Amino acid sequence: EDKVVQSPLSLVVHEGDTVTLNCSYEVTNFRSLLWYKQEKKAPTFLFMLTSSGIEKKSGRLSSILDKKELFSILNITATQTGDSAIYLCAVGKETSGSRLTFGEGTQLTVNP
Amino acid sequence: EAQVTQNPRYLITVTGKKLTVTCSQNMNHEYMSWYRQDPGLGLRQIYYSMNVEVTDKGDVPEGYKVSRKEKRNFPLILESPSPNQTSLYFCASSVNRVPYEQYFGPGTRLTVT
Repeated sequence: EDKVVQSPLSLVVHEGDTVTLNCSYEVTNFRSLLWYKQEKKAPTFLFMLTSSGIEKKSGRLSSILDKKELFSILNITATQTGDSAIYLCAVGKETSGSRLTFGEGTQLTVNP
Repeated sequence: EAQVTQNPRYLITVTGKKLTVTCSQNMNHEYMSWYRQDPGLGLRQIYYSMNVEVTDKGDVPEGYKVSRKEKRNFPLILESPSPNQTSLYFCASSVNRVPYEQYFGPGTRLTVT
């Protein structure tokens, strides 16, 4: 059975802190790993990773994939209150078309 | 504007009263999917569709039906809703058949009493 596990499940930090969110997976025929941000509405896309060791970056957010150890991390530097959200990790498989399996998510709260 | 729309956004209903949640996308996407989101369980896939007239079960299909008669529409049908189907529902679509960025609708909060 495919599994996507995120940790921690929740995290509370102060503005300006740096956070690292984790996503580990066990799937056969892995194709890609995706990160989404969900505020009080629909998830919005952040990154898609398919190759090990290549960092994807967007402003203060960055992510990297390790296909040997089967995990990914999402880093957020200099956090702001607007970063407060649920961060979702999802994995897609070669054999499943566009289908994604999601983890539970990490609830990040950034306090001023 | 490229978007996925869902209706209704909020619905309170009673056990056993059939309902349909509509989903429509204007991006000509082949792939569409329905998820439910519950606290502590994340997003779980209910049904998905690779193209018109092609649908398949996701991880939690019991109690739901779908149809895909047109490319842009993918309605979710609850023939006899029960309280355990109280949840937040999302429709999503994506551009092609490989695992790819999915665009999500705004969500439908359903309460079954």
